[in-house]
Amino acid sequence: AQSVTQPDIHITVSEGASLELRCNYSYGATPYLFWYVQSPGQGLQLLLKYFSGDTLVQGIKGFEAEFKRSQSSFNLRKPSVHWSDAAEYFCAVGHSGNTPLVFGKGTRLSVIA
Amino acid sequence: NAGVTQTPKFQVLKTGQSMTLQCAQDMNHNSMYWYRQDPGMGLRLIYYSASEGTTDKGEVPNGYNVSRLNKREFSLRLESAAPSQTSVYFCASKGGSSYNEQFFGPGTRLTVL
Repeated sequence: AQSVTQPDIHITVSEGASLELRCNYSYGATPYLFWYVQSPGQGLQLLLKYFSGDTLVQGIKGFEAEFKRSQSSFNLRKPSVHWSDAAEYFCAVGHSGNTPLVFGKGTRLSVIA
Repeated sequence: NAGVTQTPKFQVLKTGQSMTLQCAQDMNHNSMYWYRQDPGMGLRLIYYSASEGTTDKGEVPNGYNVSRLNKREFSLRLESAAPSQTSVYFCASKGGSSYNEQFFGPGTRLTVL
């Protein structure tokens, strides 16, 4: 069965600092991988996705993620965090067909001045 | 395009009352999903519909029923609400390709007293 682990429940970074959110997945074949962001009181918005090709994918709001098959990881990065990036971030894995995505439990990001 | 819409946005019920959460999408997506979100638990799948006319149980289906009314609409019913069903409920939809992401609605915040 597929699973997604986000090891960090809560991360606090200073505004302007770099950010890396970790995501590890368990899946036998090549997965389809997603990062979503949820601002307080809002629904989930897609940041980026990977399904094939270049293992470094660019997303919206200056985020990027790198797929590393050898480590079963899909970590999310941003070089310089803005206060508006404070939110909850979810990693998800999918596979073929219309079966639902499997989500991690999320990482809450706080940004301090 | 409105995307995925959910009604109501907020609801307070008493234990034992029933209600239906409505979800509609205007993206001509085949698949639709209902999740609940609780603190520290991430998103948990309640039911999903891979295509019009089909529904399947997810991780936490007990106490819920669903109806895929047509391709656009997917409703979630609580027949006899319990305090344990206090949560934020999200509807999502997805297009036909495997690498398509799920699009989420804004959520319904339900409190059961």
